[in-house]
Formats: sequence, C-alpha cells, structure tokens
Amino acid sequence: EVQLVESGGGLVKPGGSLRLSCAASGFTFSSYTMNWVRQAPGKGLEWVSSISSSSHYKYYADSMKGRFTISRDNAKNSLYLQMNSLRAEDTAVYYCARRFGTEYYFDYWGQGTLVTVSS
Amino acid sequence: DIQMTQSPSSVSASVGDRVTITCRASQGVSSWLAWYQQKPGKAPKLLIYAASSLQSGVPSRFSGSGSGTDFTLTISSLQPEDFATYYCQQANSFPPVTFGQGTRLEI
Repeated sequence: EVQLVESGGGLVKPGGSLRLSCAASGFTFSSYTMNWVRQAPGKGLEWVSSISSSSHYKYYADSMKGRFTISRDNAKNSLYLQMNSLRAEDTAVYYCARRFGTEYYFDYWGQGTLVTVSS
Repeated sequence: DIQMTQSPSSVSASVGDRVTITCRASQGVSSWLAWYQQKPGKAPKLLIYAASSLQSGVPSRFSGSGSGTDFTLTISSLQPEDFATYYCQQANSFPPVTFGQGTRLEI
C-alpha cells in the first residue's frame, strides 16, 4: 500500500524557517517525481515544488523561488521542503504528492502537515 | 500561467441527481486535465486524468469530457459519499501546474 506521511509542520514567526519531511512507503520511491502542494485555510490547492526522481530537476512556483528548497533522499525514501523567510501567506496545509506516470497529475497524497506563520 | 476557472463555485443537489461541473482554461491545454475530489480534512483524491480517463478504483458514475479549453466532470447518480469539493487541474503547461478554485457540492 502506498503511503506518504508528512511531518515537521508547526507554528513559526514571520521570517522564520521550517523543514517539512515526507516519508514514503509501499512503492519504489526512487522511480517517481515527487511534489509539494499546499492549501491555505479554506482556500484551493496551490502547487509548490517538484523534484525529479534523481534530483536532477527541481521546479518551484514563482512565489516560493529563492525561499523554498526541495530535496529528497532516495536511500531513506524521504522528501523534504526547506522553507525560509516565511510569510503569513505561507500559512497552509502542505501535502506531498506523487506524480502519476509521466504526466503532472498526482495520484497519491499524504495527509498533510499544517504550517502556521504568525507572530 | 494558465488560469483554470470552475463553475459553479457551489452547487446543491440530492442523492440520485446528475451533476455537471465545468472547468475552463485560459488557454488550450489539449487533454491534459485532471479532476480531484476532496472531503473536509482529507487529502485530494485523483478521479479523472487525461480529461476522460477514470483512475483505478473510482466508480464509473464519474466521467470527464472535453479538450482544449472547456471540460466537464459529470456524476451520473449522486451518492451520499460524493458530497465534497471538486478541483480541476491542468498538466499541459509545466511549471506550474494550476488548479481551479474548486466547486463545492452540497446537499
């Protein structure tokens, strides 16, 4: 059974940093492009970042470029999101999601971890 | 970036009803479109990909159609478990992928 379990969320002050993790199991993690997608409270879905299976390609939404860094450790079946210079508008549930085949659809999602940026 | 606009933003329906949700892209996305279902406090679930392909395990009462800029998600006979929020997502132009604003389906 495919499982994605996020952790690392919490309350952080504006300008602060946080590192999210996503532990994967039930599939060959090293074969899949992985993504972060977020959802602000009561709002819609917003793609955040994507990393290819070998970490060769990394992509970010414009509003996260320069502040967020995606990475992965295939030996540990883990995905990460380092978030710096956090703003109130980064408050959201952050989901890790597996890319479906060769297209940018997302077939498995974690349960999400809540990041709250507030003083 | 390609903007995705869903209509309606919310819809009220009853068990057994046929419901259609529309998604329009600001520019053509061919058939690179997905639909997701999200229930409160839960992660989204992939229902339809490539505009009309049913994801494994999804009931056949769900169907998708369209290409280019206009797409629809149809639920042929609503079941109690179908009351949720639905999102479309384009996968034609990456980065970024973009989602519609959601359609809330309620009783």
